[in-house]
Amino acid sequence: DTEVTQTPKHLVMGMTNKKSLKCEQHMGHRAMYWYKQKAKKPPELMFVYSYEKLSINESVPSRFSPECPNSSLLNLHLHALQPEDSALYLCASSQVSLAVDTQYFGPGTRLTVL
Amino acid sequence: QQQVKQSPQSLIVQKGGISIINCAYENTAFDYFPWYQQFPGKGPALLIAIRPDVSEKKEGRFTISFNKSAKQFSLHIMDSQPGDSATYFCAASNSGGSNYKLTFGKGTLLTVNP
Repeated sequence: DTEVTQTPKHLVMGMTNKKSLKCEQHMGHRAMYWYKQKAKKPPELMFVYSYEKLSINESVPSRFSPECPNSSLLNLHLHALQPEDSALYLCASSQVSLAVDTQYFGPGTRLTVL
Repeated sequence: QQQVKQSPQSLIVQKGGISIINCAYENTAFDYFPWYQQFPGKGPALLIAIRPDVSEKKEGRFTISFNKSAKQFSLHIMDSQPGDSATYFCAASNSGGSNYKLTFGKGTLLTVNP
């Protein structure tokens, strides 16, 4: 099973709300990623977790807060977002965090910030 | 140094034709070149990947051609089908570095007409 699941599929939130995105994989992968994708653009890396530890933060604003409770779960906590944060948020996982490891992407959460 | 330039931005092909998407890179440290396919409403999925020790890799109707001296690689889709209509992203990474980041091209929207 090469599936990465993400919930919710769609999320609409106001700028003062607090919400969380959830990602789950059961492939035994030890690296998990958050990407942001704007329409008609490539995915942009936000965070990388390797063995449940944050290894890369691509200078993401603090209103995005990642969390990796265990090797199968990855959360992205959202607070005080801006309308320009509206995008498709993709989670991915790979065997480990080597550059040549295949990254398996989830279907994404479509986020709209009002 | 980190750019991957992809062309064309969009491509329309008739069923049964050959689709060709080109990418060029600048960073000579890149040594892993995957192609991702993304359908609307879905996350990207790895299609095929190549390392620079070979000049061509074929998987079914999909072929990557690699020219190390020109720092270019391309995706050929033979016998293109309407089901191939999707956005294609080339990417590159440095497997020897500690940077797990995939550098994506800007994407090509492929439409295969029946």
